[in-house]
Amino acid sequence: AQSVTQLGSHVSVSEGALVLLRCNYSSSVPPYLFWYVQYPNQGLQLLLKYTSAATLVKGINGFEAEFKKSETSFHLTKPSAHMSDAAEYFCAVSVFNGNKLVFGAGTILRVKS
Amino acid sequence: GAGVSQSPSNKVTEKGKDVELRCDPISGHTALYWYRQSLGQGLEFLIYFQGNSAPDKSGLPSDRFSAERTGGSVSTLTIQRTQQEDSAVYLCASSVRDRGPYEQYFGPGTRLTVT
Repeated sequence: AQSVTQLGSHVSVSEGALVLLRCNYSSSVPPYLFWYVQYPNQGLQLLLKYTSAATLVKGINGFEAEFKKSETSFHLTKPSAHMSDAAEYFCAVSVFNGNKLVFGAGTILRVKS
Repeated sequence: GAGVSQSPSNKVTEKGKDVELRCDPISGHTALYWYRQSLGQGLEFLIYFQGNSAPDKSGLPSDRFSAERTGGSVSTLTIQRTQQEDSAVYLCASSVRDRGPYEQYFGPGTRLTVT
C-alpha cells in the first residue's frame, strides 16, 4: 500500500533563506506525487505534481520538487523564502486504482523576518 | 471558472443529531472525493465517486457515514447520530477523472463541531 512520510512537523526559516520540506513515499508502482499547500482556514491548493514526465518539477510561487526514485523521495524546495510562504504543506501520493490521495502528516512552515 | 464549493462552511450540531454536508464539484469533473481533516488523524480519504460507477466507500469510518452523488454532479455526505469524534473539517475535491495524472481540486471545506 502507498504511504507518505514527511520529516519534520514544523520547519522554521528566515526570510530569504532556502526552504526544504522533506517527503518520502512508499509505492509498489510508479507513483503520481503531489505537493499541496494549505493556508489558515482554507482548502488545499496544488503547488506541483510529478507524473513521470520529468524528474524536476516546477510549480507555482517559485517552488520546485525533484523525484528521486532511488531515494523514494520528492522533497519540496524554494531558493528564497517569503513571508507569504508561511502555511502548512502536504505531500501526497496517488493510489493507482482510483487516484485516491494518501497524505503525509503535513509540515508547518514558519518564516521569520 | 468556478471552483469546488461546499456548504455550509461551518456546522455546529449536538451529539446524536444527523448532519448533511454538500459539495458542488467543478463542472465537467467526473470524479468526486471526500476527505476528512482532523487533529488526531490528519487528512484521510473517506469515499469517492467516478461517473456512474459504484462509489469506493473503503475510507468511511463507520456505517453512520454515507454519501450520494446525484446526477453525476452534486454530492452530499451524511453523518447519522453524530459523535464528538466526528468533529473535523470535511473536504471535498473533484478531478477530471479517476485515472491518469489529474490533480484534485479542493473546496474550502466544512468545519463540523459536535458538542
